[in-house]
Amino acid sequence: RKEVEQDPGPFNVPEGATVAFNCTYSNSASQSFFWYRQDCRKEPKLLMSVYSSGNEDGRFTAQLNRASQYISLLIRDSKLSDSATYLCVVFTSGTYKYIFGTGTRLKVLA
Amino acid sequence: DVKVTQSSRYLVKRTGEKVFLECVQDMDHENMFWYRQDPGLGLRLIYFSYDVKMKEKGDIPEGYSVSREKKERFSLILESASTNQTSMYLCASKEGANSPLHFGNGTRLTVT
Repeated sequence: RKEVEQDPGPFNVPEGATVAFNCTYSNSASQSFFWYRQDCRKEPKLLMSVYSSGNEDGRFTAQLNRASQYISLLIRDSKLSDSATYLCVVFTSGTYKYIFGTGTRLKVLA
Repeated sequence: DVKVTQSSRYLVKRTGEKVFLECVQDMDHENMFWYRQDPGLGLRLIYFSYDVKMKEKGDIPEGYSVSREKKERFSLILESASTNQTSMYLCASKEGANSPLHFGNGTRLTVT
């Protein structure tokens, strides 16, 4: 089993739709969680950290479920510019490692 | 804003060449990382450094070495480039223990 798993997609959604991605992790000792956005042939860019109580940044909402060991990202009112790959990242201080999912590809269609 | 700068966006090198990839960050971060990213494999950690002159092997250190002589600069060295080292190389830095990584814009290396 992979340490961090994501559905690769692609998720094809119309503009204005709401879309959600999940990411599961296997190490229950994981401490920090992040969502990154990566455009084709570019570097990953931090979208948001994920806090235990859940957090929101504009159209984006992140949630953490420690009991079931997954994090989620919800995008409301999708824009064409949201088309990208979304990477889930999990940090475990004991191993000092950031583990990356292989990403979920989103295509927002006009 | 954190700025992480990698010296080259694209590099083409020949098999057997020694290759240097440079990375500089301007936020006085202690921790710096080198990853490679390949389709279907995601990002894999090559080496990281938590202080000047300190280095730790990541998951795939074979064929690579690193140098951290100054806090702001972390170099990745391919001792003798091989075709299976053709990849996107990403440098990152971070501020504190549970902080997110900040990436440079990547170096796409092709070894022929």
